[in-house]
Amino acid sequence: EVQLVESGGGLVQPGGSLRLSCAASGFTFSGYDMHWVRQITGKGLEWVSAIGTAGGTFYPGSVKGRFTISRENAKNSLYLQMNSLRVGDTAVYYCARAAGTTLFDYWGQGTLVTVSS
Amino acid sequence: QSVLTQPPSASGTPGQRVTISCSGSSSNIGTNTVNWYQHLPGTAPKLLIYSSNQRPSGVPDRFSGSKSGASASLAISGLQSEDEADYYCAAWDDSLSGVVFGGGTKLAVL
Repeated sequence: EVQLVESGGGLVQPGGSLRLSCAASGFTFSGYDMHWVRQITGKGLEWVSAIGTAGGTFYPGSVKGRFTISRENAKNSLYLQMNSLRVGDTAVYYCARAAGTTLFDYWGQGTLVTVSS
Repeated sequence: QSVLTQPPSASGTPGQRVTISCSGSSSNIGTNTVNWYQHLPGTAPKLLIYSSNQRPSGVPDRFSGSKSGASASLAISGLQSEDEADYYCAAWDDSLSGVVFGGGTKLAVL
């Protein structure tokens, strides 16, 4: 059974940093592109980052230069390093497996990140 | 302001058919396939339609998708109370080199 379990969320002050993790199981992790998607409270889904099987990374302008996605295939783990956090980054962050370019066939339950002073 | 445009809300009564539109441009829907997601608050989003009109196994055939030019639609027939959720379209945008989502449509079953 495919499982994605996020962790690392919590409360952080503006300007601070946080590292999210996503533990994958039930599939060959190294064979899939992986993404982070967030939902700001009361708003819609927003794509945050992607990493390909070869390690190539993609980001939207809103987080580029502040967030870094990485993966450790030996540990079946996906990460999101978030720096220079802003109040507007407060959201539930989901990791998702990509079976196609935007075909997210499995999602984690999400981890809440709250940026507040 | 989302790159893909969806109506913020839709509604119908049990048994009715509703459609949700998703409007984009030549750099996203006009060139790439569209996927649709169903999201209930507090849960993980669920893939509903992929490649514009394909249903993953386990998704009822009441759900269907279509695409024409730079627009796509999700249709739900035989509406049920359990269909009350938020629905999102998504596509790859070649100009932005990234994934773009619609703003989401909240479906109410009256």
